Amino acid sequence: GAVVSQHPSWVICKSGTSVKIECRSLDFQATTMFWYRQFPKQSLMLMATSNEGSKATYEQGVEKDKFLINHASLTLSTLTVTSAHPEDSSFYICSASPLRFPNEQFFGPGTRLTVL
Amino acid sequence: QQQVKQSPQSLIVQKGGIPIINCAYENTAFDYFPWYQQFPGKGPALLIAIRPDVSEKKEGRFTISFNKSAKQFSLHIMDSQPGDSATYFCAAAETSGSRLTFGEGTQLTVNP
Repeated sequence: GAVVSQHPSWVICKSGTSVKIECRSLDFQATTMFWYRQFPKQSLMLMATSNEGSKATYEQGVEKDKFLINHASLTLSTLTVTSAHPEDSSFYICSASPLRFPNEQFFGPGTRLTVL
Repeated sequence: QQQVKQSPQSLIVQKGGIPIINCAYENTAFDYFPWYQQFPGKGPALLIAIRPDVSEKKEGRFTISFNKSAKQFSLHIMDSQPGDSATYFCAAAETSGSRLTFGEGTQLTVNP
């Protein structure tokens, strides 16, 4: 149990386009979902925290107009990278905290974004 | 206050050895300390977690030791195997389920 999926697993896009990444909790309802980005050989950096039906809370330095987060239901959150540029290329990972186990965060497999 | 410092950055052991990864924190409000294992190109997976009311927790070959007064905690991997080769992250949170602060990560290599 407690499986989190992400789609797509990898995406290549041209500079200036927008990319949407989906994060789904497959077998549980999530009170809170988190979005991270990770550069090679570095730690995870929290980008934002989202709760179903409310606006996301962004970490300092993260542009909310560039990284749009929608948490439409208790099982789905989306991250849209708008007007992507090569510096946005990274590994994006979501996590979710289950209603029944709010103590834990379960991570998705990640999405590799490459902006040409 | 929000930092979690992790060491070493990389670690190489022989099969059967006991790698030890250490973390130190500053924020005394942290009360949840998980460890995650991450393989290349994959998301982190929760290994084991501890709260400050216990000094040690063991799950299978993984043991967390916690020293509240020193604000340090460590991960021990017993009888390490080549399949344990991965990057390990410690983390901390003020309230379980809230935002995690991650350590810098330790790249572990277990040689056959």
